[in-house]
Amino acid sequence: GQNIDQPTEMTATEGAIVQINCTYQTSGFNGLFWYQQHAGEAPTFLSYNVLDGLEEKGRFSSFLSRSKGYSYLLLKELQMKDSASYLCAVRDSGTGAGSYQLTFGKGTKLSVIP
Amino acid sequence: DTAVSQTPKYLVTQMGNDKSIKCEQNLGHDTMYWYKQDSKKFLKIMFSYNNKELIINETVPNRFSPKSPDKAHLNLHINSLELGDSAVYFCASSRIPAAGELFFGEGSRLTVL
Repeated sequence: GQNIDQPTEMTATEGAIVQINCTYQTSGFNGLFWYQQHAGEAPTFLSYNVLDGLEEKGRFSSFLSRSKGYSYLLLKELQMKDSASYLCAVRDSGTGAGSYQLTFGKGTKLSVIP
Repeated sequence: DTAVSQTPKYLVTQMGNDKSIKCEQNLGHDTMYWYKQDSKKFLKIMFSYNNKELIINETVPNRFSPKSPDKAHLNLHINSLELGDSAVYFCASSRIPAAGELFFGEGSRLTVL
């Protein structure tokens, strides 16, 4: 099974940088994913890490350390529209199609203030 | 064209009723899912189908029955609705079961009175 932990809420200022952490404990690991979900909308895929290190995608970057069971999502040059929930998700490993289950954390609600 | 569409978007019903939610994807994906998001925004998987075959069936009451007539459609039927079933139900699809990039529908908000 998976146990995924991330802060419930964060607040940051427009134009600033914010880091959202995610720690996980898993019986099998095959990738860590970040999703963004605006209030009342569907989650949308942001990034994924399978190997250790930093993946950069425009203003968003995601980091993974498999040995520490740790990831973070870094958002730069914050904009008001970045106010949303950010969901960390871990993909199982194992054999059989059903093993590749994506388990979501409870999400971090980010509020960007002027 | 909406990639993953689900209907209805809103559903208000009485306890004990039976209801269905339909989902269709036009992405040509092999795998489809149902997730439940409760009032605390926790997104939890319920079922997954790959090419019409059930591959993930989490601990969900058997009042919930998914049906996949073809790989582009995954419907969810719920019998004898209970108050605790009130949630937003999201349908999603992915290219293959191992893909971590899921494409979600807009959600169906179910309220049981």
